[in-house]
Amino acid sequence: QQPVQSPQAVILREGEDAVINCSSSKALYSVHWYRQKHGEAPVFLMILLKGGEQKGHDKISASFNEKKQQSSLYLTASQLSYSGTYFCGTGPPGDSWGKLQFGAGTQVVVTP
Amino acid sequence: NAGVTQTPKFQVLKTGQSMTLQCAQDMNHNSMYWYRQDPGMGLRLIYYSASEGTTDKGEVPNGYNVSRLNKREFSLRLESAAPSQTSVYFCASADRGPNYGYTFGSGTRLTVV
Repeated sequence: QQPVQSPQAVILREGEDAVINCSSSKALYSVHWYRQKHGEAPVFLMILLKGGEQKGHDKISASFNEKKQQSSLYLTASQLSYSGTYFCGTGPPGDSWGKLQFGAGTQVVVTP
Repeated sequence: NAGVTQTPKFQVLKTGQSMTLQCAQDMNHNSMYWYRQDPGMGLRLIYYSASEGTTDKGEVPNGYNVSRLNKREFSLRLESAAPSQTSVYFCASADRGPNYGYTFGSGTRLTVV
């Protein structure tokens, strides 16, 4: 079953923060995060493989709460370049790279 | 530049026509994937190939076939196109490791009329 992302969309001013959540009704074993700009291919941001793991890339970071079956992506001090649609993808047990299921996406618009 | 190459970029088909979408990667990745993307529905897996010589169905395989021609190439075939197959198709490849995700191709925008 497809993971559920929230919110569906968020509008930010430059410098503001945002959180995107990715929840699953099934146990989570791995979570990928991608960003897609309009008309382009999705681009890999990071992968979390263990419950409790946190990762960061510039001012974009993510956490993985295995017990809550949820991952969150944090956009800190947002920049114009952060605009795009963010997708989480969840992998089946034992195979973090096969049969990823993606959420419907969260559209992020960062304004000056 | 290394990456995933898809052809064609755009295609218009009539209902009932067939076509093959081509995908090639030059990163020596073992796994390759075909996804379709429809508005509001994210990316849905059509087929994937964990390694050369193997293929497996994803969430939405009906109406499609795939061939893993060699380690580099993974093609997607529509035997009899239907309007419901109008979508953007992405090929991706991946190798396994704690810091590696999918590398996507630039996509094929397919319209079936």
